[in-house]
Amino acid sequence: ETGVTQTPRHLVMGMTNKKSLKCEQHLGHNAMYWYKQSAKKPLELMFVYSLEERVENNSVPSRFSPECPNSSHLFLHLHTLQPEDSALYLCASSQSTGPAYNEQFFGPGTRLTVL
Amino acid sequence: DQQVKQNSPSLSVQEGRISILNCDYTNSMFDYFLWYKKYPAEGPTFLISISSIKDKNEDGRFTVFLNKSAKHLSLHIVPSQPGDSAVYFCAASARGSNYKLTFGKGTLLTVNP
Repeated sequence: ETGVTQTPRHLVMGMTNKKSLKCEQHLGHNAMYWYKQSAKKPLELMFVYSLEERVENNSVPSRFSPECPNSSHLFLHLHTLQPEDSALYLCASSQSTGPAYNEQFFGPGTRLTVL
Repeated sequence: DQQVKQNSPSLSVQEGRISILNCDYTNSMFDYFLWYKKYPAEGPTFLISISSIKDKNEDGRFTVFLNKSAKHLSLHIVPSQPGDSAVYFCAASARGSNYKLTFGKGTLLTVNP
């Protein structure tokens, strides 16, 4: 595997379900990100991890819970979601969150539908 | 309130001609700008970037121009190829939080053979 991978690619869940999205980067990067892309809206940054520490939580509701067990893996745990949470969830990584490391590499995304 | 705006949702050009994609921003703290390209069922891929200390950056067929006074940047693709057909996102970051990218909604470019 190369680059950034995400599983599953598609997920349908009910509002009472608990599910998790998984992201893995094979680039040796130290920073990982979760983004949300809703229909007709720009990509919105949700969370940022640097060296497994959360450095940014962009006012995301607590029904979304990120976990970064190591610098290669990032999870997004989902619980009691609402239909308006249906969106494309993208994971990204970058070499660092420091200066001159703006370029982020994205995974293909998980298309989430909440019924 | 959108800080990065791509006002054209779509653009159609003929193969071989120039494609010009536009982006406007409102935050004067933005000092680094990027363009990403996205094919269906794939994540965005980095294309080209420019720092606010420059007004032009070129990479092969792709050139990004930055007009700081107008808070405007554009991506020129010449010559356009059918494989360039994709959604193009403009993104910006601010000094001190350069990892925090603010994206536009994207412009769908279609290059017709």
